[in-house]
Amino acid sequence: DGGITQSPKYLFRKEGQNVTLSCEQNLNHDAMYWYRQDPGQGLRLIYYSQIVNDFQKGDIAEGYSVSREKKESFPLTVTSAQKNPTAFYLCASRNLATTDTQYFGPGTRLTVL
Amino acid sequence: AQSVTQLGSHVSVSEGALVLLRCNYSSSVPPYLFWYVQYPNQGLQLLLKYTTGATLVKGINGFEAEFKKSETSFHLTKPSAHMSDAAEYFCAVSDSGGYQKVTFGIGTKLQVIP
Repeated sequence: DGGITQSPKYLFRKEGQNVTLSCEQNLNHDAMYWYRQDPGQGLRLIYYSQIVNDFQKGDIAEGYSVSREKKESFPLTVTSAQKNPTAFYLCASRNLATTDTQYFGPGTRLTVL
Repeated sequence: AQSVTQLGSHVSVSEGALVLLRCNYSSSVPPYLFWYVQYPNQGLQLLLKYTTGATLVKGINGFEAEFKKSETSFHLTKPSAHMSDAAEYFCAVSDSGGYQKVTFGIGTKLQVIP
């Protein structure tokens, strides 16, 4: 069963703690993306990666970090420097050679208490 | 630079009525255009897309959209709304470059009234 998985579905953390969101895909896609979704603001790009060991900042990268050590994995760390981390986080992937479409995971809802 | 404007953050229709969700875009290059649907607390699912060729594109669940270059629009329609269509819909535009930066609209929540 091919697809994108994100875990956990819901995550609660105390203010000041770093937290890592998981994103795994078995679609053999080259590119992976992290978006943040807030009510009334659509999706905003945090980071993206087109190849292993390389990634680029998106529009709202401050307070976030990523790694891409394996093609199938693109974890996102929300650091204590992120001023307003409570949001719905979506991971997406795309096969650069064969498709113009990004495919999305089910999302992780992060709540910082 | 590219941008997307979705007119109406909330749209209500009666079951069986026409669904029309509006999307206007701005792009300095020929755009790729997408409509995604999102159910509560879920990811986005592709409804349909326009890249090149036929300007009227058909998608899943009976939805279709027409690319109108002169009007810079890509409105989403469905002839007859079903209760299961209640969701949030996102219009998106991207360039055709290798990175393919995608810009999303703010979304339109569709309510279907029985």
